[in-house]
Amino acid sequence: GENVEQHPSTLSVQEGDSAVIKCTYSDSASNYFPWYKQELGKGPQLIIDIRSNVGEKKDQRIAVTLNKTAKHFSLHITETQPEDSAVYFCAASTHQAGTALIFGKGTTLSVSS
Amino acid sequence: NAGVTQTPKFQVLKTGQSMTLQCAQDMNHEYMSWYRQDPGMGLRLIHYSVGAGITDQGEVPNGYNVSRSTTEDFPLRLLSAAPSQTSVYFCASSPGDRPETQYFGPGTRLLVL
Repeated sequence: GENVEQHPSTLSVQEGDSAVIKCTYSDSASNYFPWYKQELGKGPQLIIDIRSNVGEKKDQRIAVTLNKTAKHFSLHITETQPEDSAVYFCAASTHQAGTALIFGKGTTLSVSS
Repeated sequence: NAGVTQTPKFQVLKTGQSMTLQCAQDMNHEYMSWYRQDPGMGLRLIHYSVGAGITDQGEVPNGYNVSRSTTEDFPLRLLSAAPSQTSVYFCASSPGDRPETQYFGPGTRLLVL
């Protein structure tokens, strides 16, 4: 079945630096890759997603890239701010019975000012 | 639109007690799911529903029951709580034509003593 690996598990950057989180997936049939941001004490919030017919998508300071051949996708945050500090989860769609998404284990991003 | 709402926010139970975690959504989404989130384990699917009257098991269904009598509500029942069920529980919903685009509630933190 589908498996999603996410790296790194923790990431510390200085305010204004860029942050990159990478995920790999195993099922070549996966065609949808969302990223969620989870702030302390809150539920995961969808921040950006990409479908397999697109190589890159950008939304202000956030971008996601997808390499279908290598089966990996990445989240890029530029000009980081303290409010970007959170846990970020990647996910990949799956056709496995019982679920629509398989999640990575998360990356804790800390942005210090 | 309130989106996905969950109650209670926090609950303490004794081993063997039962309780129901409530979840409601006002987006007319066909798909609803329950996840549990444990440190280092990411989000794991407990049960899901593709529409009123239809439910099925996810990755970790043991010890939990669900029902879906309306499109809006998807309660999760713990019949006899165990310490292993201490976790944070998230409900999510998604539209029928895009089940992978999931929107999460704020979560219920459960402690079983």
